[in-house]
Amino acid sequence: QKEVEQNSGPLSVPEGAIASLNCTYSDRVSQSFFWYRQYSGKSPELIMSIYSNGDKEDGRFTAQLNKASQYVSLLIRDSQPSDSATYLCAVRGGGADGLTFGKGTHLIIQP
Amino acid sequence: NAGVTQTPKFQVLKTGQSMTLQCAQDMNHNSMYWYRQDPGMGLRLIYYSASEGTTDKGEVPNGYNVSRLNKREFSLRLESAAPSQTSVYFCASSERGFNEKLFFGSGTQLSVL
Repeated sequence: QKEVEQNSGPLSVPEGAIASLNCTYSDRVSQSFFWYRQYSGKSPELIMSIYSNGDKEDGRFTAQLNKASQYVSLLIRDSQPSDSATYLCAVRGGGADGLTFGKGTHLIIQP
Repeated sequence: NAGVTQTPKFQVLKTGQSMTLQCAQDMNHNSMYWYRQDPGMGLRLIYYSASEGTTDKGEVPNGYNVSRLNKREFSLRLESAAPSQTSVYFCASSERGFNEKLFFGSGTQLSVL
């Protein structure tokens, strides 16, 4: 059974600070890693993808991957109130059966 | 650009009733998926279709059937709805490949009384 673990939160971060979201996964052959953002009552939207070890930056977002430790993280710099949402970590293994999602971390950015 | 379109957005059923959730995508994607999302449980895969003409069970397939009507459309059927199927259902599609990014529809809020 593939598992993706996230701290459910809520994680409360002051506006302008760095928010750090973490995720671990159980399937060692996992190849692709994604972060989705989901606002309350809305569908998940993709914000970052990462496929190789190291860091990947896109604007205020940085995804970090460490396959040896089976660990993925998302950093949000200069956090804004509009970043308040649930962040879902998703992992794709070696098969064709879609993504396995974590239960999500609820992030609150305090003005 | 419509992306992934799901209908209906809301539905209330009585126990034992049947219904079909419809999903269509206009991105020429090969793979389509049905997920359900419950509080505290995250998104769980019900069924998926890796390509036109194929369907496979996901993590929680019991009580559901699917049809990949053509490359664009993938429907989910509840033959005899149960209260445990009260959930938010999301359809998604993707290109097939290791960098498989899922694009989601807006969801269907289903309540079974």
